[in-house]
Amino acid sequence: GIQVEQSPPDLILQEGANSTLRCNFSDSVNNLQWFHQNPWGQLINLFYIPSGTKQNGRLSATTVATERYSLLYISSSQTTDSGVYFCAVDYNTDKLIFGTGTRLQVFP
Amino acid sequence: NAGVTQTPKFQVLKTGQSMTLQCAQDMNHEYMSWYRQDPGMGLRLIHYSVGAGITDQGEVPNGYNVSRSTTEDFPLRLLSAAPSQTSVYFCASSYGSGNSYEQYFGPGTRLTVT
Repeated sequence: GIQVEQSPPDLILQEGANSTLRCNFSDSVNNLQWFHQNPWGQLINLFYIPSGTKQNGRLSATTVATERYSLLYISSSQTTDSGVYFCAVDYNTDKLIFGTGTRLQVFP
Repeated sequence: NAGVTQTPKFQVLKTGQSMTLQCAQDMNHEYMSWYRQDPGMGLRLIHYSVGAGITDQGEVPNGYNVSRSTTEDFPLRLLSAAPSQTSVYFCASSYGSGNSYEQYFGPGTRLTVT
């Protein structure tokens, strides 16, 4: 099956800093999503982005499907951005495979 | 819309007991799924359903049963609980077709098996 690797595993930032999270996957995908799990455990869908670039406020994501990676950019980070960011992928199996996540801590 | 709801929020079971985790969605989503999340790990798919009456296994199905008699509900049954099933369980749903694969998650059920 498809393997998903996320880097870095942990990231510590001061408020206002920018960051880039990476998701590598081992095979073709037609479904790639980024999620944020907040410190209370709730999972929120950030982007559905099997290819191309999308932006939503301070967050943006780019997937280069031919090179099998996706990037999540967080600009001007805030303490509310803290939590774990997951990438999940699928190719026509109806089974989303999750990476192990990047834990982000933003300090004031 | 309430979105995806899960009950209970917390549960403690003894080894060998059975129970059902409830999941419901009011978005008329065809696709529903159950995941478990263990400390320091991502989510792993247990079972999923692409519509009422249709279910299939995910990565870690052993020890769990599901059924999908209606579009709205997708209960997860633990047949004989084991300590290895201590985890946080998430239910999710999506339209599941075309370009509408965005998954919406419930708040989770934290299960402890002693």
